Amino acid sequence: EPEVTQTPSHQVTQMGQEVILRCVPISNHLYFYWYRQILGQKVEFLVSFYNNEISEKSEIFDDQFSVERPDGSNFTLKIRSTKLEDSAMYFCASSERSGTPNQPQHFGDGTRLSIL
Amino acid sequence: EDQVTQSPEALRLQEGESSSLNCSYTVSGLRGLFWYRQDPGKGPEFLFTLYSAGEEKEKERLKATLTKKESFLHITAPKPEDSATYLCAVQALALNDYKLSFGAGTTVTVRA
Repeated sequence: EPEVTQTPSHQVTQMGQEVILRCVPISNHLYFYWYRQILGQKVEFLVSFYNNEISEKSEIFDDQFSVERPDGSNFTLKIRSTKLEDSAMYFCASSERSGTPNQPQHFGDGTRLSIL
Repeated sequence: EDQVTQSPEALRLQEGESSSLNCSYTVSGLRGLFWYRQDPGKGPEFLFTLYSAGEEKEKERLKATLTKKESFLHITAPKPEDSATYLCAVQALALNDYKLSFGAGTTVTVRA
């Protein structure tokens, strides 16, 4: 069964450094998302991406965050200058477009980001 | 703002002991309600989508139902492999708004 793939599984970074989290969505999917889950808290929406542009973003997704689809398969989340509070599990998700945007979102297994 | 509240926070069951999980939601208009299963260190795994009050979906020992204010996930005769955190999420009926708003989850432990 097709799945969303995320790399790396664990990233350790010094505060203030830039980090790029990578995702390969399911191949026929056209909607892409990033969520994060701080340890012990709810899964929170960060950003959605469709047709090569951001379609929606949360208050969390400020100027230090950016997303990109550099080629036909990868979807990346960049954090420009990491802070301690960015430590979390980051999940990528994708959904297909079939005229009904409420198709289920399928999630990867996440990247655990640890900021030191 | 969309709100999703799940109860109980944790549920310990004996194998074969059926039970229900609750998901109460507040949303301006519901596009869909989604149930996911999350195992430790893994991403949420899709289980069900419910769209309208009265709808029911079943998969093996799991059955999800939906009313205008809440959803229930019924686990019938659970097995140890049903141990996981079950997440409920809502998607609002709003223009260009497809984000999921999640509840905190119910952690289910099934003992053999």
